[in-house]
Amino acid sequence: DAMVIQNPRYQVTQFGKPVTLSCSQTLNHNVMYWYQQKSSQAPKLLFHYYDKDFNNEADTPDNFQSRRPNTSFCFLDIRSPGLGDTAMYLCATSRQRNQPQHFGDGTRLSIL
Amino acid sequence: QKEVEQNSGPLSVPEGAIASLNCTYSDRVSQSFFWYRQYSGKSPELIMSIYSNGDKEDGRFTAQLNKASQYVSLLIRDSQPSDSATYLCAVQSGNTPLVFGKGTRLSVIA
Repeated sequence: DAMVIQNPRYQVTQFGKPVTLSCSQTLNHNVMYWYQQKSSQAPKLLFHYYDKDFNNEADTPDNFQSRRPNTSFCFLDIRSPGLGDTAMYLCATSRQRNQPQHFGDGTRLSIL
Repeated sequence: QKEVEQNSGPLSVPEGAIASLNCTYSDRVSQSFFWYRQYSGKSPELIMSIYSNGDKEDGRFTAQLNKASQYVSLLIRDSQPSDSATYLCAVQSGNTPLVFGKGTRLSVIA
C-alpha cells in the first residue's frame, strides 16, 4: 500500500512549458519535502512544508514553486523549465522535521 | 558547509559475504543518522536509522555509529544479489534538513 504517491511517474514536457507535479500522502505527516535528484547525485532539497509553513532552500531556482493546499497534498510547479531541470523529482514526508523521511516513487521529468 | 562523504564505489562483494559501507560527516552536532537504499531508477527507501553510539541490528543489516570519530557504517550480512543498489547515508542535526552523501554503489556477485 503506497503511502506517499506521486503523479505522474513520468513526464515529458517542452522547454519553457509550465509543468506541475503532485504528491499525496496517507500518513497524516506534518512535513512534506520536494527533492531534485540528477543522475548519480544525491537528492537535493528544494523546499519543505512544516504544516502550512513554507521553507525554501536558498539555492532553489525562482521558477520552482510549491503549494500545499491541505495536509495530504503538495504540488511542485516549474514555471519555465529548462533543459537542466531534467531530473527525478522526489516527494518525501515525515511526522516531524527530526524524524525519518519516507519517499514516494518519484516523477521522472524530461525537458525537451 | 555540512558534508557527508561516502566512497562512490562500486563495492563488489560475493554472494553470502558481508558488505561494509562507510560514511563520514562534518557536522559534530549531528544527532540523527539514516541509511537509504536506492535501486537504479527508483526512489530512496529507508532501511536503518540510528541515533546513539554503538550498533543497531535489524535482520541482515547492522548500523554502527561512532560520534567521536564522526563515522557511521552499514553492514549487510549474507549479501544477496538483490542487495545490489546504491546506499545513501543521510545525516541530520535537530530540525535542520537532511544532508545526503552521494551514495555508494554496491554490487553483489552471484
